[in-house]
Amino acid sequence: ETGVTQTPRHLVMGMTNKKSLKCEQHLGHNAMYWYKQSAKKPLELMFVYSLEERVENNSVPSRFSPECPNSSHLFLHLHTLQPEDSALYLCASSQGRRGNEQFFGPGTRLTVL
Amino acid sequence: GQNIDQPTEMTATEGAIVQINCTYQTSGFNGLFWYQQHAGEAPTFLSYNVLDGLEEKGRFSSFLSRSKGYSYLLLKELQMKDSASYLCAVRERNFNKFYFGSGTKLNVKP
Repeated sequence: ETGVTQTPRHLVMGMTNKKSLKCEQHLGHNAMYWYKQSAKKPLELMFVYSLEERVENNSVPSRFSPECPNSSHLFLHLHTLQPEDSALYLCASSQGRRGNEQFFGPGTRLTVL
Repeated sequence: GQNIDQPTEMTATEGAIVQINCTYQTSGFNGLFWYQQHAGEAPTFLSYNVLDGLEEKGRFSSFLSRSKGYSYLLLKELQMKDSASYLCAVRERNFNKFYFGSGTKLNVKP
């Protein structure tokens, strides 16, 4: 247990569905991240929320929409996804500028049919 | 952006030493990280280098040369449980942006 939880752990959805992934960290960190991990590809940073700023990877399609209501919770809203969006979605947190390491959640395995 | 390269796969024998290399090109470097990821699990932090030199942590050591854009992770006294993927990641000057390599899958054989 890393102190970062993600729900659901597995999700199967159709291309017309709307779903949300949830992440919660219990570490008192002030930065949270969404990553996408596809087979044989590098971990891809999608979004970062920290006290200072929100950072977006400009290559992430608008069908992914993040929300960070407070420093402990992070959501990823999914809408009209494509089969190529099937991947492992990992949430991570860190202590922003003072922290050197990221703590990852177990991930949500997403399958888009 | 960043360009991070590491070997795709390596095999080593239990009890041996293995070195996993990582090269990177970055527009603004602010630290290099190594993570271990077992199949089906989340990455876990192993080491961090921001200055040149060797950082040692038990059986694991990590080396950095900023001028060469090069790092390696050294694993000693290999154990079967060390079979995993090892991810090299670079943090750029924006403290919250990290770029990962594709990972090196290490197979430890008896």
